[in-house]
Amino acid sequence: DQQVKQNSPSLSVQEGRISILNCDYTNSMFDYFLWYKKYPAEGPTFLISISSIKDKNEDGRFTVFLNKSAKHLSLHIVPSQPGDSAVYFCAASGGSNYKLTFGKGTLLTVNP
Amino acid sequence: DGGITQSPKYLFRKEGQNVTLSCEQNLNHDAMYWYRQDPGQGLRLIYYSQIVNDFQKGDIAEGYSVSREKKESFPLTVTSAQKNPTAFYLCASSKTGSPHTGELFFGEGSRLTVL
Repeated sequence: DQQVKQNSPSLSVQEGRISILNCDYTNSMFDYFLWYKKYPAEGPTFLISISSIKDKNEDGRFTVFLNKSAKHLSLHIVPSQPGDSAVYFCAASGGSNYKLTFGKGTLLTVNP
Repeated sequence: DGGITQSPKYLFRKEGQNVTLSCEQNLNHDAMYWYRQDPGQGLRLIYYSQIVNDFQKGDIAEGYSVSREKKESFPLTVTSAQKNPTAFYLCASSKTGSPHTGELFFGEGSRLTVL
């Protein structure tokens, strides 16, 4: 039972355009959502997060939007750069422990 | 510099052998985790520990064992009972307490290959 779903395995965009990565979740107990970026053969690095009390969080070129009623969040990257090419994981946490549940990831390719 | 160190980076094992992956952190984090990454599967939680001398099974604990004798260390043993041990293993740590963010700090990973 996949509680965090990233339905697009890959996404390709042109440099300078917007990249939109999507994530859906099923567990109503989740109250904190994070995006991680991962290069091959390296550990993921934290990118941006959002609490369930907010619907938007922005950090430079990265913005995360949360739609609680739809149980959907998205990561917007604008403008996209070739160095953004990586696998992006959506993750969620909630309840009394600090365990993160990850989606399967979306491979973003930004073409020059 | 504070961080998480995993070793070895690459490890080869013969079938039937147990192997132990090391994970050390100097971030003074209470919680530590082991994840496994397979192609197309994302990150799946093996074991996690929120405090010294305590740990819980994650989603795919079968064939694995851990210990948490020190705050800084959380070694993972891949036993011969693990049916498909070839994978990329990631160790992580996080703060506990308030405010709760759940943000994990990851090591560089260890790639285990069974020959």
